[in-house]
Amino acid sequence: QQQVKQSPQSLIVQKGGISIINCAYENTAFDYFPWYQQFPGKGPALLIAIRPDVSEKKEGRFTISFNKSAKQFSLHIMDSQPGDSATYFCAASRGGGADGLTFGKGTHLIIQP
Amino acid sequence: GAVVSQHPSRVICKSGTSVKIECRSLDFQATTMFWYRQFPKQSLMLMATSNEGSKATYEQGVEKDKFLINHASLTLSTLTVTSAHPEDSSFYICSAGSGGPLSYNEQFFGPGTRLTVL
Repeated sequence: QQQVKQSPQSLIVQKGGISIINCAYENTAFDYFPWYQQFPGKGPALLIAIRPDVSEKKEGRFTISFNKSAKQFSLHIMDSQPGDSATYFCAASRGGGADGLTFGKGTHLIIQP
Repeated sequence: GAVVSQHPSRVICKSGTSVKIECRSLDFQATTMFWYRQFPKQSLMLMATSNEGSKATYEQGVEKDKFLINHASLTLSTLTVTSAHPEDSSFYICSAGSGGPLSYNEQFFGPGTRLTVL
């Protein structure tokens, strides 16, 4: 059972555009939803995270939108740059992030110059 | 942000040997560390949760006798792959939970260890 579903699998966006990646979860006990960026051969880097008591969180060019009733959350990357080209993973956990993370399958993002 | 290191970054070993991977939180104390495995072009899968001074909790399907985890201090956890076989070849990544002076309970990941078993 895949507890966190991520789409799309791959995404191509023009430089300066908005990249949007979506995730849906099944386990209502999840209460912490981070997004990670991973470059080939490297460990994931935390981008931004949200808890279900807020519907949106913004940090720089990155925004998480959260819809608790629909059990969905998404990452928006504004003014996408070629350096943003990477694999992005959404994740979820219980215990406010104290438990291990359940990851989505990842989105391979390519920003075309 | 918090820094987590792993050593070694890459290891090649013969089938049947054991390999130890170290995970250290460099600038914060982590009461909880996690070990994940990532196969090529796939997502990360949680293997086990490690709490300082207690036995690790393994996810379903992960052999605890094959993947030995020790969390001896608040800054160090080790994963030992015993009697490694080619199917154990993977990218092993640890993370450390902040859960303390840093905000909330973010998990910060190490750079990963590429294990190749011949």
